[in-house]
Amino acid sequence: DVKVTQSSRYLVKRTGEKVFLECVQDMDHENMFWYRQDPGLGLRLIYFSYDVKMKEKGDIPEGYSVSREKKERFSLILESASTNQTSMYLCASSSQPQLGTEAFFGQGTRLTVV
Amino acid sequence: GDSVTQMEGPVTLSEEAFLTINCTYTATGYPSLFWYVQYPGEGLQLLLKATKADDKGSNKGFEATYRKETTSFHLEKGSVQVSDSAVYFCALSTNQAGTALIFGKGTTLSVSS
Repeated sequence: DVKVTQSSRYLVKRTGEKVFLECVQDMDHENMFWYRQDPGLGLRLIYFSYDVKMKEKGDIPEGYSVSREKKERFSLILESASTNQTSMYLCASSSQPQLGTEAFFGQGTRLTVV
Repeated sequence: GDSVTQMEGPVTLSEEAFLTINCTYTATGYPSLFWYVQYPGEGLQLLLKATKADDKGSNKGFEATYRKETTSFHLEKGSVQVSDSAVYFCALSTNQAGTALIFGKGTTLSVSS
C-alpha cells in the first residue's frame, strides 16, 4: 500500500516561530502536494512539486515556502507563523498524471499558532 | 479556469435513507473525476473514480456516473449507514503533467440511527 506519512498529527507553535511540516512518501511518486483545509473553504493548494528541487505555487502560497531535496520528502515551511495559519495541513503524492491517476494523502497535521 | 462545485452541507440523514451529493465541474479537455472521503480525524482517501464519459465508478455501495453532457459526477448511495458519516470531496484531474487535483469544498454527511 502507498504510504504518505506526515511527521506530526498535532503541533502548537508560537507566533513568529519558524515551523517545518515534513511529509514522506514511499511509492517513488514524482508529484507531491501541500494543501490546507479550513471549514467552509475546503482544500486549498499551497504548493506542489513535480520533481526534485522543482516547485510550483498553488492558490495560496503567501507566508509559506517548500523544500524538496529528495524525491520522497516534501517539506512545508512557515517562515514566521501567524495565527491565521492555524489550520489542518494535508500532504499528498501521486505518480505522473495519466487517465485516472489518483492522489494519496497523509493523515494531516493540525497546526495551532498561539 | 477549471473548477468543481459541490452541494453545500451539512447533509443529515437517517440510517437506510437514500443519499445524493451533487457535483458539477468546469474543465477544458477530458478530465478524470474522483470522490474522496474523509472520516473524522483522518486524511482523505479515494472512494471512487471515473476516467471518461458514461463511466460509472463504484465502491462500498457508493456510485457516481461521469456525465459529460451535464458536466456532473453526482455521488449516490441507496442505503446509508451511521459509519458513512464523513466529509465527501469531489475532485477533478486534467490529466496533464505539472498540475494538481482540483477539489470542491466538501460536503459533510451526518447519519443518525
